[in-house]
Amino acid sequence: DQQVKQNSPSLSVQEGRISILNCDYTNSMFDYFLWYKKYPAEGPTFLISISSIKDKNEDGRFTVFLNKSAKHLSLHIVPSQPGDSAVYFCAASRDNYGQNFVFGPGTRLSVLP
Amino acid sequence: EAGVTQSPTHLIKTRGQQATLRCSPISGHTSVYWYQQALGLGLQFLLWYDEGEERNRGNFPPRFSGRQFPNYSSELNVNALELEDSALYLCASSFVRGYTFGSGTRLTVV
Repeated sequence: DQQVKQNSPSLSVQEGRISILNCDYTNSMFDYFLWYKKYPAEGPTFLISISSIKDKNEDGRFTVFLNKSAKHLSLHIVPSQPGDSAVYFCAASRDNYGQNFVFGPGTRLSVLP
Repeated sequence: EAGVTQSPTHLIKTRGQQATLRCSPISGHTSVYWYQQALGLGLQFLLWYDEGEERNRGNFPPRFSGRQFPNYSSELNVNALELEDSALYLCASSFVRGYTFGSGTRLTVV
């Protein structure tokens, strides 16, 4: 039973355009969400987070939107750059103490020059 | 400040052998998490250690075990290796509101 789903294994976007990565979850008890980026041969690095009391969080080119009623969140990258090409993981937790995150399978983003 | 460090970077073992993977968390972090990323799959939670105790484990057989030392570093041991244990094993230490990951150990079982 996959509690966190990223239904698009891969996504290709032209440089300068918007990248939208989607994530769905099934457990209504999740209330804290993270996005991580992973380059080959490196560990995942933290990108941005959002708690359930908010519906949007922005950090530079990265914005995460949360729709609790739909159990859906998305990561927007504007404008997309070739260095953004990586695998993006969505993660969810029932608490905000950094414990017991459930990760999605990841979406491979390719930003084409 | 040093990040999360893992060793070795790569490890090749034969089926049936044992593998030991090591992790040092960020200084001051007391929790260590182990995740497995098999080819084509997401990050699967393996084990969580905090203050020297195993706090939680994922849906993995008992041949996956580990420990945390007084200095908060950790070992992951995989006994009776099987071919499907070939994966990237990631260690993370936690701060409030998220993880910091190491670069991982690539375990190949042949």
